[in-house]
Amino acid sequence: GQNIDQPTEMTATEGAIVQINCTYQTSGFNGLFWYQQHAGEAPTFLSYNVLDGLEEKGRFSSFLSRSKGYSYLLLKELQMKDSASYLCAVRSRDNYGQNFVFGPGTRLSVLP
Amino acid sequence: EAQVTQNPRYLITVTGKKLTVTCSQNMNHEYMSWYRQDPGLGLRQIYYSMNVEVTDKGDVPEGYKVSRKEKRNFPLILESPSPNQTSLYFCASSLLGGGDTDTQYFGPGTRLTVL
Repeated sequence: GQNIDQPTEMTATEGAIVQINCTYQTSGFNGLFWYQQHAGEAPTFLSYNVLDGLEEKGRFSSFLSRSKGYSYLLLKELQMKDSASYLCAVRSRDNYGQNFVFGPGTRLSVLP
Repeated sequence: EAQVTQNPRYLITVTGKKLTVTCSQNMNHEYMSWYRQDPGLGLRQIYYSMNVEVTDKGDVPEGYKVSRKEKRNFPLILESPSPNQTSLYFCASSLLGGGDTDTQYFGPGTRLTVL
């Protein structure tokens, strides 16, 4: 089966840096996505990794190690509006199609 | 404007009364999917579709049906809803290019309560 783990909650201070970890077990790995979800809203795309290494997008960076089944999302210069849940999702592909498995999400609270 | 729409946004119903939640996208995406989101469990995939007339089960398909007769529409059908199907439902769509263009675009969500 497939399994994804993330910390349930994290707290950080405005202006700081925070790293949200994600570990996964899956077969047919075909990419890892990070999404942001504000309370009561739909998830929105943040970043994508399919090869090992770091992908940087402004204040957000995401890292992947396929051999370790590990990814992290790095948020720099935290702002109050970054208070949200962050979802790690793994795409798997086999002969029948592709599906997505989401982690439980990490609720980040940014404090002044 | 590129978007995924869902209707209704909110629905309160009773056990056993058949209902359909519609989903439509205007981005010509091949891939469409339904998820439910419950506290502490995150998003769980119900069904997905790789293209017209091609559907497959996700992780929690029991009690749900889908159809994909047209590329833009992917309705979710609950033939006999039960209280354990009370949840927040999201429809999503994406391309199937194989890279980061495959990111899913989510609809606004449908909050369903089954009494």
